[in-house]
Amino acid sequence: KAGVTQTPRYLIKTRGQQVTLSCSPISGHRSVSWYQQTPGQGLQFLFEYFSETQRNKGNFPGRFSGRQFSNSRSEMNVSTLELGDSALYLCASSLTGTGAQYFGPGTRLTVL
Amino acid sequence: KQEVTQIPAALSVPEGENLVLNCSFTDSAIYNLQWFRQDPGKGLTSLLLIQSSQREQTSGRLNASLDKSSGRSTLYIAASQPGDSATYLCAVHRGSTLGRLYFGRGTQLTVWP
Repeated sequence: KAGVTQTPRYLIKTRGQQVTLSCSPISGHRSVSWYQQTPGQGLQFLFEYFSETQRNKGNFPGRFSGRQFSNSRSEMNVSTLELGDSALYLCASSLTGTGAQYFGPGTRLTVL
Repeated sequence: KQEVTQIPAALSVPEGENLVLNCSFTDSAIYNLQWFRQDPGKGLTSLLLIQSSQREQTSGRLNASLDKSSGRSTLYIAASQPGDSATYLCAVHRGSTLGRLYFGRGTQLTVWP
């Protein structure tokens, strides 16, 4: 089976812009979770989607949003980018959200 | 609130040594615990998953144990190799928050020839 894929792998944006990241889970997996990783904060949970519904959300501002499509692919959007949004954004998929999670290679976002 | 701590933060050893990485968590009501490896700038690779009802899991040179009552897990790496150099992350899953893993800050391992 193909693993979790994320596109794009690298992004450079300027403050105030918005960005959309995409995640395709492992075939058959219905849960997709998103995490932000920075050197200062480590891995922080953004949100989780299952069957097109957001089930859990971390402590991020409303500028961070997401959605999931009927084929389980998920997108994450960040509006009005700030310098502090520079990070590695990782998505993970699992069958139902309770078992093992498998991560994609991440999208490296740099905000200038 | 679930907090996960990993000790040590960094470890440097010569090739061939047997290693123990430690992970502790504050809330013992976990659903499962997962160990990951992360190479610089890359995503996370799943190493082992231990269900809350299990005591240990093994994969090749890796063995992970879980003591839920004391809130501890250890990852044992036998006969370390330079290719084992990476950051090792421990994450716990609480059944009450589906799809969310609580991560430690990791142990950065360097194995030198």
